[in-house]
Amino acid sequence: GQNIDQPTEMTATEGAIVQINCTYQTSGFNGLFWYQQHAGEAPTFLSYNVLDGLEEKGRFSSFLSRSKGYSYLLLKELQMKDSASYLCAVMDSNYQLIWGAGTKLIIKP
Amino acid sequence: NAGVTQTPKFRVLKTGQSMTLLCAQDMNHEYMYWYRQDPGMGLRLIHYSVGEGTTAKGEVPDGYNVSRLKKQNFLLGLESAAPSQTSVYFCASSSGLADTGELFFGEGSRLTVL
Repeated sequence: GQNIDQPTEMTATEGAIVQINCTYQTSGFNGLFWYQQHAGEAPTFLSYNVLDGLEEKGRFSSFLSRSKGYSYLLLKELQMKDSASYLCAVMDSNYQLIWGAGTKLIIKP
Repeated sequence: NAGVTQTPKFRVLKTGQSMTLLCAQDMNHEYMYWYRQDPGMGLRLIHYSVGEGTTAKGEVPDGYNVSRLKKQNFLLGLESAAPSQTSVYFCASSSGLADTGELFFGEGSRLTVL
C-alpha cells in the first residue's frame, strides 16, 4: 500500500529552527509537495521537489532523497505566524497525490 | 482575486437528506478536485475532473456524485447523507500537477450530518 508518515505534532521556540520529516512509500514517484494549513483555513502551497537535494525559498527549505523515500521541511527564524499544520504529499506514478496526515507545529514565545 | 470559491461554508444535514456543494474557479484551470479532510487523516480524494464534461473517481467516491458541466464549476453532490460524511470538504484546482505542482484550494465547506 501507499503510505506517507510524518510526526503528528512538534513544538518549537520563536526565532529557532525546526525540521519536519516526511517518509513515504508509494507506487512510483513524480514529485513531493509541502503545504501549510492554518487552523480552519485552506492548505497553501509551500514547495515542490522532484529531484534530490535542497530547495530554498526564503525562511523555508525543502529537501528530498528519492533513494531513501525521505523529505524534510526546514523552517528558520520561526515566527508565531508559522504555527500551523504542515502537509506532505507525494505524486505517484498515476499523477495522483497521496497525502500525509500533517504535522501540527506549535510555536512558543 | 477570487481564486477558488466554495459554497456553502457551513451546512448541517439530517441523515438521508441531499445537498450539493458548489466550487467555482476563475483561473481557467483544467483540473478540479474534491477532497475531504478528517482529523488524524490526510486529505482524501473523492472525485476529480481533468476538463469540462469529464469526471473520475478518487480514493473515496462512494456516496458522492459530481458534475463538471462548465469548465469553471465543479459540483459535489450527496444524494443521501450519512453521519460518516461529516467532514470538511475542500475543492481545489490546478493547471496540471505535472506542470506547476501547485493546487489552489477553496476555503473549505464544513458539513455536519446528524
